[in-house]
Amino acid sequence: AQRVTQPEKLLSVFKGAPVELKCNYSYSGSPELFWYVQYSRQRLQLLLRHISRESIKGFTADLNKGETSFHLKKPFAQEEDSAMYYCALKEAAGNKLTFGGGTRVLVKP
Amino acid sequence: KAGVTQTPRYLIKTRGQQVTLSCSPISGHRSVSWYQQTPEQGLQFLFEYFSETQRNKGNFPGRFSGRQFSNSRSEMNVSTLELGDSALYLCASSSRQGLAGNTIYFGEGSWLTVV
Repeated sequence: AQRVTQPEKLLSVFKGAPVELKCNYSYSGSPELFWYVQYSRQRLQLLLRHISRESIKGFTADLNKGETSFHLKKPFAQEEDSAMYYCALKEAAGNKLTFGGGTRVLVKP
Repeated sequence: KAGVTQTPRYLIKTRGQQVTLSCSPISGHRSVSWYQQTPEQGLQFLFEYFSETQRNKGNFPGRFSGRQFSNSRSEMNVSTLELGDSALYLCASSSRQGLAGNTIYFGEGSWLTVV
């Protein structure tokens, strides 16, 4: 069965510092990986997905199939990045998402 | 375009009662999924519907059920409520099923408290 692990429950960084959120997965097939973000009092929203290979709000994530990882990075954190971040895996068939436990990011001024 | 809409947003029920939650997907979306979110278990998949058919089901007891109507709106029902069913229930919709690049959009959720 597929599994997504986010080892850090909380990441606290200062504004302007780099931030990296770790995500590891286990899945026998070819998954699609996503990062979702949930700002305070807002709905869960897609931040980025591995197939797009794009940078959103300064965040990037690279799929490493050898290490089965999909870490999220931002070189200079901003206060508005404070939120809950979820890594998610989708199987090839269907729209079922398997989520990691989430990492709360707190960016201090 | 309106987002995924869930009703009611908040509700309180008593143990043993049953509850029905409603979800209206984004216009044109035919895939609807449901998730349960709790501090202890995180986000867990309940089930997915596409074109009125259940396509996938998570590991929840039979007290949890759902359905999808011809207009793609969906409902989920929980019977014989237990205290542990207190959670945020999220609905998600997507235009297609299973294809790469498919974006899944979430609603704001329905907060259920069982007392």
